[in-house]
Amino acid sequence: NAGVTQTPKFRVLKTGQSMTLLCAQDMNHEYMYWYRQDPGMGLRLIHYSVGEGTTAKGEVPDGYNVSRLKKQNFLLGLESAAPSQTSVYFCASRRNTGELFFGEGSRLTVL
Amino acid sequence: EDKVVQSPLSLVVHEGDTVTLNCSYEVTNFRSLLWYKQEKKAPTFLFMLTSSGIEKKSGRLSSILDKKELSSILNITATQTGDSAIYLCAVEANSGYALNFGKGTSLLVTP
Repeated sequence: NAGVTQTPKFRVLKTGQSMTLLCAQDMNHEYMYWYRQDPGMGLRLIHYSVGEGTTAKGEVPDGYNVSRLKKQNFLLGLESAAPSQTSVYFCASRRNTGELFFGEGSRLTVL
Repeated sequence: EDKVVQSPLSLVVHEGDTVTLNCSYEVTNFRSLLWYKQEKKAPTFLFMLTSSGIEKKSGRLSSILDKKELSSILNITATQTGDSAIYLCAVEANSGYALNFGKGTSLLVTP
């Protein structure tokens, strides 16, 4: 049972490049989330999904897009990366009782 | 706007000390408060407190929810170096689907 798996774990991009982060969960959870974590800022919600085919904006959605075509997968896309998007990205899924389970994070650097 | 504030932001103690971490919140229609521990990678779940479960304990860690003061404390007794981590507090409101996180408390336990 892998839980929540994120790929890639590390990536370096140049300004203007695009990329997609993949999150997969094998716990059959309905709710999935993408957070970013920056020093001194805690975890900030980018986008979330309450079920297959649905997505919604969180606190800091600008510059990101998401898709939830399959229940187990939640993709986070950067269409034109900017240095301000340098961060550690965490995906999470949520159990019905409320707890979030996190992936191990994806460290993205935009030069 | 929902708000979660943790204090202190950082703390250094000696092994064996007892520490108290604080979390205060302002949310509409409070549903639950969760504590997470984050070492090098993914945050891991510690406790969830709700209106029907305001006190939790696991080994040397315990947490209490004060609904009147809109706050929670996380206590760690007889601290060990392995307790060094960032402790995150998150609050869920009935009106939303996502957890709002505080900025975290960075705890360092020295030998």
